[in-house]
Amino acid sequence: DGGITQSPKYLFRKEGQNVTLSCEQNLNHDAMYWYRQDPGQGLRLIYYSQIVNDFQKGDIAEGYSVSREKKESFPLTVTSAQKNPTAFYLCASSTTLKAGHRGYTFGSGTRLTVV
Amino acid sequence: DAKTTQPNSMESNEEEPVHLPCNHSTISGTDYIHWYRQLPSQGPEYVIHGLTSNVNNRMASLAIAEDRKSSTLILHRATLRDAAVYYCILRDWTTSGSRLTFGEGTQLTVNP
Repeated sequence: DGGITQSPKYLFRKEGQNVTLSCEQNLNHDAMYWYRQDPGQGLRLIYYSQIVNDFQKGDIAEGYSVSREKKESFPLTVTSAQKNPTAFYLCASSTTLKAGHRGYTFGSGTRLTVV
Repeated sequence: DAKTTQPNSMESNEEEPVHLPCNHSTISGTDYIHWYRQLPSQGPEYVIHGLTSNVNNRMASLAIAEDRKSSTLILHRATLRDAAVYYCILRDWTTSGSRLTFGEGTQLTVNP
């Protein structure tokens, strides 16, 4: 079955360390997205990519970096510059075509805790 | 991005219909109305979307007002598994990225 996989499910990081969250999809979707969710809040967009080797900042990109070297993969690095990185991180993908569009497909998330 | 307004919370009884409202008075002609729902500690799940006409699928129905300034997600018979946060979102296909902007949604509680 096609889907989107995030790993790991839980991640602990020491302050001052960079950490990379994985996101892989086999849905042949062109677009991929990273969101952050804090307790009791909605999702906020960190970065998104419409095509390989191109990506744009979302609303809260500071302290994060991404790459899009392959269509299937969109890893997110949480750098030491991110002041409050403890959160639930969600990756999503979608087609860029309006015809047959079925919305975004989300992964099951990575819960990052800074200790 | 055009904004949506939803009630913070709603309650329903099991096996009764649920009508979840959403106001989007600044909607543009090219905005599609999307609904997602999110269970605790999971990623959001696509529910339904529409532009002008009412839409039905296996999960729900979407009723869109004639002036498109509001819409209602209808769950015909609520089950305990429908308890989730429901997000109403506008998506503009003409802008680069067609990004979804999530609000805080409506927390639906379903009573047995």
